[in-house]
Amino acid sequence: AQKITQTQPGMFVQEKEAVTLDCTYDTSDPSYGLFWYKQPSSGEMIFLIYQGSYDQQNATEGRYSLNFQKARKSANLVISASQLGDSAMYFCAMREHNNAGNMLTFGGGTRLMVKP
Amino acid sequence: DSGVTQTPKHLITATGQRVTLRCSPRSGDLSVYWYQQSLDQGLQFLIHYYNGEERAKGNILERFSAQQFPDLHSELNLSSLELGDSALYFCASSLTGGSGELFFGEGSRLTVL
Repeated sequence: AQKITQTQPGMFVQEKEAVTLDCTYDTSDPSYGLFWYKQPSSGEMIFLIYQGSYDQQNATEGRYSLNFQKARKSANLVISASQLGDSAMYFCAMREHNNAGNMLTFGGGTRLMVKP
Repeated sequence: DSGVTQTPKHLITATGQRVTLRCSPRSGDLSVYWYQQSLDQGLQFLIHYYNGEERAKGNILERFSAQQFPDLHSELNLSSLELGDSALYFCASSLTGGSGELFFGEGSRLTVL
């Protein structure tokens, strides 16, 4: 089974509007972390935001917030006031505490396109 | 700038050849991870080193190998290259402890002709 699922291969959003990118995950580990990364067309992977499984509040970083619904195993990224520079691929990832390799497992990504 | 340095940025080679990709982690990071990003497979974890020791292997082919040196830089060796090895290869490093986010280099884009 997929550990991280991003069901939206591509999305459009109007500049200055908010957009939600979906991410669901699958784990039996009670301790885990969820991450979002942005990959612009230039190719680099940029860390955006982190949510720990025991965090009581949703994480926020500037215009990025994470809508964490633990019971539903979802960790959606919300981008407020979209900008043209937000056009990129966005990846959701998870690290499980009992993961000996300590690596991140990534979803397939969502391509976001911001329209002027 | 993440602080992770990868070389070369671009590499074009022929099938059957061997290449070496190099990574210098952020100062102070002991962990180095290698990922492969191809169009059909997404971001696939290859291997993780911590302070010179291999910690975990993912979907890494036997034709591929890696090591981390005493100065903590790492090399990924790809041999007997095939067309399907064409991909963007990322190195990432992380702090020990903390939330554990990975800091990625800009990647090495390998094209096998």
